[in-house]
Amino acid sequence: NAGVMQNPRHLVRRRGQEARLRCSPMKGHSHVYWYRQLPEEGLKFMVYLQKENIIDESGMPKERFSAEFPKEGPSILRIQQVVRGDSAAYFCASSPPRLAGKAFEQYFGPGTRLTVT
Amino acid sequence: AQSVTQLGSHVSVSEGALVLLRCNYSSSVPPYLFWYVQYPNQGLQLLLKYTTGATLVKGINGFEAEFKKSETSFHLTKPSAHMSDAAEYFCAVNSGGYQKVTFGIGTKLQVIP
Repeated sequence: NAGVMQNPRHLVRRRGQEARLRCSPMKGHSHVYWYRQLPEEGLKFMVYLQKENIIDESGMPKERFSAEFPKEGPSILRIQQVVRGDSAAYFCASSPPRLAGKAFEQYFGPGTRLTVT
Repeated sequence: AQSVTQLGSHVSVSEGALVLLRCNYSSSVPPYLFWYVQYPNQGLQLLLKYTTGATLVKGINGFEAEFKKSETSFHLTKPSAHMSDAAEYFCAVNSGGYQKVTFGIGTKLQVIP
């Protein structure tokens, strides 16, 4: 069973460009979470999605950031008009449905390291 | 509301010495607690978790943690440090109904030969 997949692993964008980060959850997992990690700041929750639904986006910046988890395909975190402050590691995690008995474990992908020049 | 405080952003121990990484939490309801480990340029890996039941939880790689409700703590320990334990460790708490998890800022563990 493959783990959580994220691509690209490294992404370089110039200021003003768009960044698209992809996350494929583990097989059988229907919950996806996005986190941002800045040096010395730990992981910050951004958004929680289920298939075709955003459940909690309280950690998402109000502008330029959006996320989706379509019925088919990976979850996408999209950052428009990137700025230098967006440079960070972005992690995706997934978890199974709550009835599966291990609903409180989140499995993390390797992350995408975004650098804005 | 829930929060996590990890005391000590950097901890150094000698190889073979006891590892103790501190974590205190705040939660308005009985929490679920986790420790994750992150190696350089990798994602987070679950070390152990407390949900209900026995308050002393054993995890992978010889780590364990004890949930102490009276102290609102969930400290991570290992009797004897190995060089391979050098990594960053994150304590996390969940007290929401849908699995939102709050992470501490992390503790970087250095193991000295």
